[in-house]
Amino acid sequence: LVMTQSPDTLSVSPGERVTLSCRASESVSNNLAWYQQKPGQAPRLLIYDTSTRATGVPARFSGSGSRTDFTLAISSLQSEDFAVYYCQQYNDWPYSFGQGTTLDIK
Amino acid sequence: QVQLVESGGGVVQPGGSPRLSCEASGFSFSDHGMHWVRQAPGKGLEWVSFIRYDGKSKSYAESVRGRFTISRDNSKNTVYLQMNSLRVEDTAVYYCAKDLFPGYMYGYVCDTWGQGTRVSVSP
Repeated sequence: LVMTQSPDTLSVSPGERVTLSCRASESVSNNLAWYQQKPGQAPRLLIYDTSTRATGVPARFSGSGSRTDFTLAISSLQSEDFAVYYCQQYNDWPYSFGQGTTLDIK
Repeated sequence: QVQLVESGGGVVQPGGSPRLSCEASGFSFSDHGMHWVRQAPGKGLEWVSFIRYDGKSKSYAESVRGRFTISRDNSKNTVYLQMNSLRVEDTAVYYCAKDLFPGYMYGYVCDTWGQGTRVSVSP
């Protein structure tokens, strides 16, 4: 089960709205999570079950989609949001991550 | 607060057999499944292995199946990753992570991560 994210890199300005995509090679139902990773840090869980925000995650992060196509949206980019984002399916073993999308400052 | 501390990494020769440990605190360890996830230098995340809260169910990535073994000691709040027949391509930071929901029969998502331990496989 292969997870493919697009784009690989996205250059955006603070305050903009962005959407990141994740596609599964077969249906993962709604068993899709998003993680954020900053340089030198461990990943942080943002979203699980496609659209449920993890504890403490700001409301500007939202997830949507189903089966094979998923989206992470960030409504108004803050400086602390520039990072790498990974999607992960946990519908079937072995679990798998996408290759990541890097958000950098334009 | 919830804390995960990995240890056991270092420089290893190909074919080596280190054992990684991850000591947990701040939550009911025996109620939660645990994962290992790795990240090669400059690369993305790769899920490696999962063990259920009671140790009775385990799963592995294809790349490590038959070489790595996950285990846990609930009396010590510790999960382990025994790594055998190491290859250069196993070089990575290895993270342990806690599963989100207690008592879940299958793996779920990783809601808390350690800071990782680095394993370098080099001749």
